[in-house]
Amino acid sequence: DQQVKQNSPSLSVQEGRISILNCDYTNSMFDYFLWYKKYPAEGPTFLISISSIKDKNEDGRFTVFLNKSAKHLSLHIVPSQPGDSAVYFCAASVGNTGNQFYFGTGTSLTVIP
Amino acid sequence: EAGVTQFPSHSVIEKGQTVTLRCDPISGHDNLYWYRRVMGKEIKFLLHFVKESKQDESGMPNNRFLAERTGGTYSTLKVQPAELEDSGVYFCASSPAGYYNEQFFGPGTRLTVL
Repeated sequence: DQQVKQNSPSLSVQEGRISILNCDYTNSMFDYFLWYKKYPAEGPTFLISISSIKDKNEDGRFTVFLNKSAKHLSLHIVPSQPGDSAVYFCAASVGNTGNQFYFGTGTSLTVIP
Repeated sequence: EAGVTQFPSHSVIEKGQTVTLRCDPISGHDNLYWYRRVMGKEIKFLLHFVKESKQDESGMPNNRFLAERTGGTYSTLKVQPAELEDSGVYFCASSPAGYYNEQFFGPGTRLTVL
């Protein structure tokens, strides 16, 4: 059973506007969340993360919001740029235990110039 | 610093054949992970090595899959015999000792079983 879900397979946004990518999870034990970005024929690259003790983390144009009560997180990209066009994966883990990341199915973002 | 490398980048084999995938982690990284993505689905964990020891292999689909990490450096993932449902992209990731949430991914090996 999938514990991390990204219900939007794709998203198109105009350059300069905000991109909002959403992710839901079911496991209340998850306490660390990450977003990875993936270009075709490349591996996922780390973008931004957030610990469950926070509700927001910001890094330049990228902000991740965490709503623990709703088991929901979102990635905001402002302003969106054509180079942001990629597949974005949400991932979660249980503590710093060395164990696996649980990934969503990804959202393909297209930023239209 | 070199990133995680994987070989081959693509492999096309027939059902019943054997394939071996290789991963070279970032130098000095004790943790090595294998993941797989079947087309359009999520990236799923297969197993985790700490140095040469298997820490967690709960994601390995069945006994047709064998992973090794001799000497705690590179790792191989062998599929024998391959089945159609084994097709997908196999990713390797590595992280430094104690930094489990800092996983760096390789470019993946795309495996197609015909």
